[in-house]
Amino acid sequence: QQQVKQSPQSLIVQKGGISIINCAYENTAFDYFPWYQQFPGKGPALLIAIRPDVSEKKEGRFTISFNKSAKQFSLHIMDSQPGDSATYFCAASINGSSNTGKLIFGQGTTLQVKP
Amino acid sequence: NAGVTQTPKFQVLKTGQSMTLQCAQDMNHNSMYWYRQDPGMGLRLIYYSASEGTTDKGEVPNGYNVSRLNKREFSLRLESAAPSQTSVYFCASSETETGHPQETQYFGPGTRLLVL
Repeated sequence: QQQVKQSPQSLIVQKGGISIINCAYENTAFDYFPWYQQFPGKGPALLIAIRPDVSEKKEGRFTISFNKSAKQFSLHIMDSQPGDSATYFCAASINGSSNTGKLIFGQGTTLQVKP
Repeated sequence: NAGVTQTPKFQVLKTGQSMTLQCAQDMNHNSMYWYRQDPGMGLRLIYYSASEGTTDKGEVPNGYNVSRLNKREFSLRLESAAPSQTSVYFCASSETETGHPQETQYFGPGTRLLVL
């Protein structure tokens, strides 16, 4: 079953615009929510992550917004640049002594930023 | 410091053939993972190894076997390849130890597998 649902599947944004990617999860035990960025032909790399004790985390032009009651979180890319064109994956995992770092990934969003 | 390396980069198999995908990391990480990436499906965990000597099934283990050869190396074997196993396979590693799971996973460059 898909425990993390991501939308949209693809996104086209003009340079300088805001890119927004949304994820929803089902399992309330999730307590770590990273976003990974993947360029064509490369493996994914961690972009930014959040834990549910905060509602927002910002790193440069990238911001995660987290809504625990709605079980949703989103990635905002401000002032989007052509170099941001990539596939973005949200993910979730559960802490605990029996957990070993397993991540559940969303389906991915392909972002194209037009010059 | 090469990070996570995978071989081969690309492979074509015929249905029923077997092959082993190799993965190695030089970051002294405890945990290693194998994922497959398919369009519209994201990354799905096949198997993982929390530490040297242990392996466990992930979300989609059927048709695969793994070996954690030592702390550095984690291989994925397809005993009898099927067209449904056409995918891009990623190996990853993390410093994670049981009880401290929220660590960054570092991914290799991937192996593209085509099964005819």
